[in-house]
Amino acid sequence: DQQVKQNSPSLSVQEGRISILNCDYTNSMFDYFLWYKKYPAEGPTFLISISSIKDKNEDGRFTVFLNKSAKHLSLHIVPSQPGDSAVYFCAASEGYGQNFVFGPGTRLSVLP
Amino acid sequence: GAGVSQTPSNKVTEKGKYVELRCDPISGHTALYWYRQSLGQGPEFLIYFQGTGAADDSGLPNDRFFAVRPEGSVSTLKIQRTERGDSAVYLCASSLPGHDSTDTQYFGPGTRLTVL
Repeated sequence: DQQVKQNSPSLSVQEGRISILNCDYTNSMFDYFLWYKKYPAEGPTFLISISSIKDKNEDGRFTVFLNKSAKHLSLHIVPSQPGDSAVYFCAASEGYGQNFVFGPGTRLSVLP
Repeated sequence: GAGVSQTPSNKVTEKGKYVELRCDPISGHTALYWYRQSLGQGPEFLIYFQGTGAADDSGLPNDRFFAVRPEGSVSTLKIQRTERGDSAVYLCASSLPGHDSTDTQYFGPGTRLTVL
């Protein structure tokens, strides 16, 4: 049973537009969430995080929104750039020092 | 500074053989994680070290898998009697757990293991 779900295996967006990647989780004990980006033949790279005491965290073009009641988070990228094309993983943990559970990933393609 | 490094980058072995995968974490990072990623899936947790000790090994699939971190830095993941189903990319990550739980994990490039 997947505790972290990313129901869209792929997403295509035009350059300059907004990319919205979604993530749902089932474990109500999760209280810390991260997004990672992965290019082919490289390890995942940390992008942005959010803890359960917040509902939004912003870093440049990247914003993560957390809806605890819906057990849903989303990553917004605006404006999208071709270099953003990668696989994006959502990950969650039950807190400090706990291992992370990853979703299956969403492949984002930003078209020039 | 140097990131997490993993060796070898690729390993091809035959069913039944023994393999060792090495991870060099970022200097000073006390926490070290091993994950396994199969095609089309996200990384799957295997084991977590805090210092020299395994704080959580609940992700190891069976007793053929073992990991050590004898001096609290470099870690080796050991797989005995490899099976074709062990074929995957094995990722290592390290972090410096902070007081505010922002223990972001930094990943290495992975070792692609292929068991023939």
